Amino acid sequence: NAGVMQNPRHLVRRRGQEARLRCSPMKGHSHVYWYRQLPEEGLKFMVYLQKENIIDESGMPKERFSAEFPKEGPSILRIQQVVRGDSAAYFCASSPRQGDNEQFFGPGTRLTVL
Amino acid sequence: GEDVEQSLFLSVREGDSSVINCTYTDSSSTYLYWYKQEPGAGLQLLTYIFSNMDMKQDQRLTVLLNKKDKHLSLRIADTQTGDSAIYFCAESSNDYKLSFGAGTTVTVRA
Repeated sequence: NAGVMQNPRHLVRRRGQEARLRCSPMKGHSHVYWYRQLPEEGLKFMVYLQKENIIDESGMPKERFSAEFPKEGPSILRIQQVVRGDSAAYFCASSPRQGDNEQFFGPGTRLTVL
Repeated sequence: GEDVEQSLFLSVREGDSSVINCTYTDSSSTYLYWYKQEPGAGLQLLTYIFSNMDMKQDQRLTVLLNKKDKHLSLRIADTQTGDSAIYFCAESSNDYKLSFGAGTTVTVRA
């Protein structure tokens, strides 16, 4: 059973471009969580999605950031018009149900904005 | 300031015990976690403790919780080279939103 997959592992964008980060949850998991880790800080919750639904996006910046988890395919975190402050590691986690004490994490995508 | 704080580095001799400390601010924390991250890999849950417990032991791992002081520690007995990694403390007051510390890089020296 493959773990949580994230791609790309490293992404470089110039200011103003768009970044798309993909996350494939573990097989059988329908709950996905995105976290962001800024340099020398802890991971910060961004958004919680179930298939086709956003459950909690309280950690998402109000502008330029969006997330989806379609019925088919991976979850996508999209950042439009990236700025240098978006440079961070973005981690995805999944669980089979809400309330599970264990979230299974992917290896992360490291975004660098030039 | 940060909701969860932990020291950034720890160096320990192989065979000794490692103790990683963490403090948190949210008094409504229900669960507290320790995750391990090895190079190039995702975070792996090591253990967690419910807030009404003081201690939890699992093989070489011992978690101590002082709820009054909001202090959590992870002790690794007989530390091995394979224990070299980044260890993250995390807390949650609901059943899905985790707040993490910045991670403690543990280096095991021979």
